[in-house]
Amino acid sequence: QVQLVESGGGVVQPGRSLRLSCTASGFSFNTYIMHWVRQAPGKGLEWVALMSSDGSDKKYADSVKGRFTISRDNSKNTLYLQMSGLRSEDTGLYYCARNGEGDLGQGTLVTVSS
Amino acid sequence: QSVLTQPPSASGTPGQMVTISCSGRSANIGSHYVYWYQQFPGTAPKLLIYRDNQRPSGVPDRFSGSKSGTSASLAISGLRSGDEADYYCSSWDTTLAVWAFGGGTKLTVL
Repeated sequence: QVQLVESGGGVVQPGRSLRLSCTASGFSFNTYIMHWVRQAPGKGLEWVALMSSDGSDKKYADSVKGRFTISRDNSKNTLYLQMSGLRSEDTGLYYCARNGEGDLGQGTLVTVSS
Repeated sequence: QSVLTQPPSASGTPGQMVTISCSGRSANIGSHYVYWYQQFPGTAPKLLIYRDNQRPSGVPDRFSGSKSGTSASLAISGLRSGDEADYYCSSWDTTLAVWAFGGGTKLTVL
């Protein structure tokens, strides 16, 4: 069955960097647009970024543009989110999602705190 | 302010049918699929409805999705106490180039 497993979260100081990974299985990863979605504590869902199936197109939410970079390695069925210049408002659970089908992973927690 | 508009709360009694609305515009719901998620406290959102009205395997047929124009709805029939959760709608927005989400609706079973 389809599985999306996020990893790489942790506690990081403001201004520092972190890289998240999402390992996919159970479907043809290289044929799907993939997304990152996040949820701050006690808040709703917020879309973060997407990447086309071949990696040629990327889009970002205004709140992360210039600080976050989405990438993928289709040979490893893995989606990445490189986060830099982290702020306290970036704290939350980060989920990867498969476009068109809508399924989400279980999330990885990022806490930005001094 | 969310791109998609949902009522912040909804309620019903056991056995009733409850409908949660999601209002958008032509650039999102009017031209793209709608997805619904169910989220219990402390857990990841679970996909409930995809592509407007399709249920993933394992989702009971008590849950159904519909869409008309620039609005969508999630209907829950035979309401149960275990349905108490937050519900989110989502859809791609062509103009904003974002995957838009509603602010969420907290469902209470009285």
